[in-house]
Amino acid sequence: SYVLTQPPSVSVAPGQTARITCGGNNIGSKSVHWYQQKPGQAPVLVVYDDSDRPSGIPERFSGSNSGNTATLTISRVEAGDEADYYCQVWDSSSDHPGVFGGGTKLTVL
Amino acid sequence: QVQLVQSGAEVKKPGASVKVSCKASGYTFTSYGISWVRQAPGQGLEWMGWISAYNGNTNYAQKLQGRVTMTTDTSTSTAYMELRSLRSDDTAVYYCARSCSSTSCYSDYWGQGTLVTVSS
Repeated sequence: SYVLTQPPSVSVAPGQTARITCGGNNIGSKSVHWYQQKPGQAPVLVVYDDSDRPSGIPERFSGSNSGNTATLTISRVEAGDEADYYCQVWDSSSDHPGVFGGGTKLTVL
Repeated sequence: QVQLVQSGAEVKKPGASVKVSCKASGYTFTSYGISWVRQAPGQGLEWMGWISAYNGNTNYAQKLQGRVTMTTDTSTSTAYMELRSLRSDDTAVYYCARSCSSTSCYSDYWGQGTLVTVSS
């Protein structure tokens, strides 16, 4: 099945830019979705189809996808952005279509 | 507004079965599918499978094949996930999520989660 690789942790100071990567074989040919999960809460979709934002998600959240790496970028990071972030692709050709990355803990210093 | 409301927490013994429900409201149920995702304590998200609410087609994670069944009741806009032959490592929070419109497969609305504890 398709494998997505995320760094376990990313740290950033408030007001700076956080970049969370998601690696996968030729991931640029697939649609990547990103979820934010805070402790004790259900995940929240923050970016879908590589770079689109659901309504209500701040413009500070953006995404890109090319080659073997997709990236979630969070600009002007706030304390409230501290959470776990998961990437996901839907690979229709796989026996495990809805695969998630292992997750990245974003710490706001 | 779109809502997915799941059934309450369950405690089961090893070898038993559990059936979790997910009642949808605020949208046309048959226009989307429902994904099921679980999260073991302190672990990441694990995709379990997906069911089309339109025609009942399913797609299960290979590791759960033979133990999991996903169904829907369109008359009540409710999705169900049954997991059989429970083991201790099935202890997790189970989420349902609205997924897969006609154009793309992402999960835009999630249930609140159902804690399933498997313990003797």
